Amino acid sequence: DAKTTQPNSMESNEEEPVHLPCNHSTISGTDYIHWYRQLPSQGPEYVIHGLTSNVNNRMASLAIAEDRKSSTLILHRATLRDAAVYYCIPGRNKLVFGAGTILRVKS
Amino acid sequence: DTAVSQTPKYLVTQMGNDKSIKCEQNLGHDTMYWYKQDSKKFLKIMFSYNNKELIINETVPNRFSPKSPDKAHLNLHINSLELGDSAVYFCASSYGQLKNIQYFGAGTRLSVL
Repeated sequence: DAKTTQPNSMESNEEEPVHLPCNHSTISGTDYIHWYRQLPSQGPEYVIHGLTSNVNNRMASLAIAEDRKSSTLILHRATLRDAAVYYCIPGRNKLVFGAGTILRVKS
Repeated sequence: DTAVSQTPKYLVTQMGNDKSIKCEQNLGHDTMYWYKQDSKKFLKIMFSYNNKELIINETVPNRFSPKSPDKAHLNLHINSLELGDSAVYFCASSYGQLKNIQYFGAGTRLSVL
């Protein structure tokens, strides 16, 4: 399993963009990069995933470095409902959750 | 309509008891999972079933026995409960080759006294 490094916590103002970084320097060539989030008292929720190219969906964008050793989850306009723990998970057939990044959103 | 539902939501019991947690998904998925999230908030996979067959068993004590009566259900039975079993247990499901696109239930908070 690839090791990941994420900031313990980040803070953002409401309505501003948030860039959540993740280092996964030991990622293998066939591993996808997944992002999940866990809102307080809820189960994890899939956000986005990608392999090499940048990806966009209605929740977020995923920017993947050319060498694939890091990625950044971008929330374009943070809302109070985006306050959660965000997990970056490289892999293919199994989800291995790390400690994640606690995102706090200020109004 | 809840996609992945777990019952009960809360479970408080004494050490040594046997208890079960039920999970049902109505997404038509073929793979189901159980995860444990301990007090330090680390989420770890315990089991995975594909079409009712066990495919992942992550060094979980024998006291934990998953049972999958059909593709839509994966129940977790725990014998001789211990204090260390106190945690939140999450059920999840996925479909086909997209094993890492999983839908999670809301969790069952188990407290062993």
